[in-house]
Amino acid sequence: EVHLVESGGGLVKPGGSLRLSCAASGFTFSDYSMNWVRQAPGKGLEWVSSIDRTSNFRPYADSVRGRFTISRDNAENSLYLQMNSLSAEDTAVYYCARSEYSGSISYYDYWGQGTLVTVSS
Amino acid sequence: DIQLTQSPSFLSASVGDRVTITCRASQGISSFLAWYQQKPGEAPKLLIYAAFTLQTGVPSRFSGSGSGTEFTLTISSLQPEDFGTYYCQHLHSYPRAFGQGTKVEIK
Repeated sequence: EVHLVESGGGLVKPGGSLRLSCAASGFTFSDYSMNWVRQAPGKGLEWVSSIDRTSNFRPYADSVRGRFTISRDNAENSLYLQMNSLSAEDTAVYYCARSEYSGSISYYDYWGQGTLVTVSS
Repeated sequence: DIQLTQSPSFLSASVGDRVTITCRASQGISSFLAWYQQKPGEAPKLLIYAAFTLQTGVPSRFSGSGSGTEFTLTISSLQPEDFGTYYCQHLHSYPRAFGQGTKVEIK
């Protein structure tokens, strides 16, 4: 069974850094692209970043580009999100999600339970 | 960047009603669209991908249609467990985007 478990969230001061992790199990992690999606309290879903199987393609949302870095360790079956220069606008639940494909059409078929990041002084 | 606009933002319907949610894309996205359901305190759950393909295990009362710029999610007979917020997402290009969500309440 596919499982995605995020960790690393917590309370951080503005300007601070945090590294999120997503531990994957139940599938061959290296065969799948992965994604981070966030949700501010009471708000909708926002795509943050994606990473392909070999880490060669890593697009970012404009709101995080230059501050966040997505990475993965296929040997450890883990996805990461390094977040720097955090501000209150980054306060959200962060979800990792797996990309599956039907031909050339992708979709996010499995999601973790999320980890809460709170940026506050 | 491609934007998605969902309508309505909120709907209240009775058990057994037919419910339709619309998602409009700011430019053509072919069939690169997915629908998700999210209940309070839970992660989103995939319902439909490639605009109309039902994810395994999702009840057949859910259906998707459309292509290009206009898409719909239909629940043929609303059930009590269908409450929650529904989001469309395009996967045509980067940045990916979600619609703003449609909150469904059971009367």
